[in-house]
Amino acid sequence: ELKVEQNPLFLSMQEGKNYTIYCNYSTTSDRLYWYRQDPGKSLESLFVLLSNGAVKQEGRLMASLDTKARLSTLHITAAVHDLSATYFCAVGGGATNKLIFGTGTLLAVQP
Amino acid sequence: EAGVTQFPSHSVIEKGQTVTLRCDPISGHDNLYWYRRVMGKEIKFLLHFVKESKQDESGMPNNRFLAERTGGTYSTLKVQPAELEDSGVYFCASSQAPKETQYFGPGTRLLVL
Repeated sequence: ELKVEQNPLFLSMQEGKNYTIYCNYSTTSDRLYWYRQDPGKSLESLFVLLSNGAVKQEGRLMASLDTKARLSTLHITAAVHDLSATYFCAVGGGATNKLIFGTGTLLAVQP
Repeated sequence: EAGVTQFPSHSVIEKGQTVTLRCDPISGHDNLYWYRRVMGKEIKFLLHFVKESKQDESGMPNNRFLAERTGGTYSTLKVQPAELEDSGVYFCASSQAPKETQYFGPGTRLLVL
């Protein structure tokens, strides 16, 4: 059974600092997703990573994928308050691509 | 282009009552997914439609849950009778193809008292 572990669960950061969220998954998958959720809102797609060594960047966020280690990271550079949200990683499973989610990381960026 | 919409946004019902949740996917998206997040737990897959056909309903908790997608457009998820443990946020998502990015709706927050 595919399992996804995400850590940390909660992350309090100061503005301007860097940090990384980790996502480990238990079995082989051909795609990994990162989503962002603001309180009461829908999950917003950030990145889709399809292959080993894939790296994608959008603004202060950079996601990478190591399929051999079954690990994805979401790196935050010089955090700003607007990045405060819950971040989820998810792995696509099977022919239907049902998503298996991590627990989510609640990121709070303090001024 | 309109995103995935869900109705209602919130629902508070008593144990034993029936509730029906609705999801309207992005126009043209044949693939529709239901997920839910119970308090303190991960977001869990419930089922997947391609057009009006159920492709995978392995995540449906029990036979109190019934999902339909008549005509292959909007979908409904009925819980009958509702139990306390059904409380949570129910998300709907849609995609053009199974391997494409899934776009999520804002969710329906269900509270069973």
